[in-house]
Amino acid sequence: ILNVEQSPQSLHVQEGDSTNFTCSFPSSNFYALHWYRWETAKSPEALFVMTLNGDEKKKGRISATLNTKEGYSYLYIKGSQPEDSATYLCASSGGYQKVTFGTGTKLQVIP
Amino acid sequence: EAQVTQNPRYLITVTGKKLTVTCSQNMNHEYMSWYRQDPGLGLRQIYYSMNVEVTDKGDVPEGYKVSRKEKRNFPLILESPSPNQTSLYFCASSMAANYGYTFGSGTRLTVV
Repeated sequence: ILNVEQSPQSLHVQEGDSTNFTCSFPSSNFYALHWYRWETAKSPEALFVMTLNGDEKKKGRISATLNTKEGYSYLYIKGSQPEDSATYLCASSGGYQKVTFGTGTKLQVIP
Repeated sequence: EAQVTQNPRYLITVTGKKLTVTCSQNMNHEYMSWYRQDPGLGLRQIYYSMNVEVTDKGDVPEGYKVSRKEKRNFPLILESPSPNQTSLYFCASSMAANYGYTFGSGTRLTVV
């Protein structure tokens, strides 16, 4: 994998459903994997940064895992709420070098 | 309040007229970076800086210049803007490579 790829591109879920997204990234020269939440008309906001294989991070109903050996990360949202509607971005970096973002997963939570 | 401040928020300009988008952070962050956002392409890195007087090209540096004379400021310069530089631009800063970035509020640039 040469680029950072995210799937699905978009997702509609009912309020209360749990959901997850995938981020695939190059496993060579890896340093850190970032997840961001980007609401319409706002700026991206950092959710998590993970560096170690097997890392798991949690913030409220949102959690993320990291597999650096196979080059993927999952973002989970438990019990989705309408305020979770946003685009979720992941980014991979090799230290202070170029940071590559995926194109995002757009989540819409239907009340 | 800890923040990254970009100016202007919106700018319409004509082809070839030099412009500067300013970016300033008040968090004493060493790392700063510029991105552009285009539909379907995601955020693409233009330039980044690891510290004062240290800058390097990102993925799409053509047509842009940057400078880092002070730690807090990282202006983006378009010497001769062209319509293909019409985009949404974000400045971001970070304490270190394993910390999340703080983004500015964005600058929507239109070159006609």
